[in-house]
Amino acid sequence: QVQLVQSGAEVKNPGASVKVSCKASGYTFTSYYIHWVRQAPGQGLEWMGIINPSGGRTTYAQKFQGRVTMTRDMSTSSVYMELSSLKSEDTALYYCARDRVNYNMDVWGKGTTVTVSS
Amino acid sequence: SYVLTQPPSESVAPGQTARISCGGHNIGSKKVHWYQQKAGQAPVLVVYNDVDRPSGIPERFSGSNSGDTATLTIGRVEGGDEADYFCQVWDRSTDHVVFGGGTKLTVL
Repeated sequence: QVQLVQSGAEVKNPGASVKVSCKASGYTFTSYYIHWVRQAPGQGLEWMGIINPSGGRTTYAQKFQGRVTMTRDMSTSSVYMELSSLKSEDTALYYCARDRVNYNMDVWGKGTTVTVSS
Repeated sequence: SYVLTQPPSESVAPGQTARISCGGHNIGSKKVHWYQQKAGQAPVLVVYNDVDRPSGIPERFSGSNSGDTATLTIGRVEGGDEADYFCQVWDRSTDHVVFGGGTKLTVL
């Protein structure tokens, strides 16, 4: 079945970087874009950006430009989201989600908890 | 930047109809998508392109979009529909995805 499997929880110090992975299976990896969306505790959904696994092209939310990098590895059907210069406000659940078409998301990973604390 | 406004909460009795609004400037010109998020779970797409349902989503879930307001309608509400609901669009002018703040639906 179609699924996105994310890496495990991370605890980081302020100022550090974190890299979260998202492995796709059950469909043709290069046929669907992947979004990254985060959710702070008790808060709503916040879009971070999108990557085209076929060519690697990315679009980042303005809020995260300069701090986020999205990449893909076609050999493992995986995408990665790296966020640098972490702050306590980056503590959140980070989701990857497949773009169905017209920028809606039909398959979601279970999320990766990132905790930023000294 | 484009802003989507949702009421923080709505409540409805079982068997009744719930309507959740999503306001945005000329939102009727955009494609609106809706997600359901139950406690402790990832979001699930329930309506896309204003009115379409993914396979497996009950017909009780429907959407509409006109003018400055899009609406998610849930008919014959059940206890299992209690969740947070988020609307979402793609803003062409910024090439950004935008989410509404979410509405917590309580089934009385």
